[in-house]
Amino acid sequence: AQTVTQSQPEMSVQEAETVTLSCTYDTSESDYYLFWYKQPPSRQMILVIRQEAYKQQNATENRFSVNFQKAAKSFSLKISDSQLGDAAMYFCALSQGGSEKLVFGKGTKLTVNP
Amino acid sequence: EPEVTQTPSHQVTQMGQEVILRCVPISNHLYFYWYRQILGQKVEFLVSFYNNEISEKSEIFDDQFSVERPDGSNFTLKIRSTKLEDSAMYFCASSRAPTSGINNEQFFGPGTRLTVL
Repeated sequence: AQTVTQSQPEMSVQEAETVTLSCTYDTSESDYYLFWYKQPPSRQMILVIRQEAYKQQNATENRFSVNFQKAAKSFSLKISDSQLGDAAMYFCALSQGGSEKLVFGKGTKLTVNP
Repeated sequence: EPEVTQTPSHQVTQMGQEVILRCVPISNHLYFYWYRQILGQKVEFLVSFYNNEISEKSEIFDDQFSVERPDGSNFTLKIRSTKLEDSAMYFCASSRAPTSGINNEQFFGPGTRLTVL
């Protein structure tokens, strides 16, 4: 069975600072993908960043980057130069090869303080 | 930019009633999904749908649930006889490619909040 754990229900960061959101996962498959989704208040979830398990290089999208530690089954999200618009729920998710479903963590609510 | 839309945004129903939740996926997408999130809990996968049939479903997706793509644009989730525990936010999603492939991003709708009284 696949599981995704986000151990930080809430985090806060000062505008322009850096914050790291934690995610650990468990899967028995070698072929899988990891995702971070952002859900602003009253808006739909949007994909922030994606990591293929077979790639050793950490994914980066502008101010967002991940620290993918495959052996430790850890997939943290780093947000640099935080902006007020980054305030949202962040969900870590996992999909396994051969399966259509995303398995989600419980989410981390990020507050950005001006 | 194209978006997944869902109607209604909020549905209130009596226990035992049937409800239909509607979704309009992004037009060139081929894979469709329903998820739900009970308040305070994780987002859970219900079902995936491709080529007019269910491709995968979870244990939650029992006989009271069904999905349909009635007209080539809408994607619906029907709950036949609602229970109190069906109260949740229901999210529709669509993707161009299967989750296990490249271009596998699932695009989510804003959700329908279902309240069963």
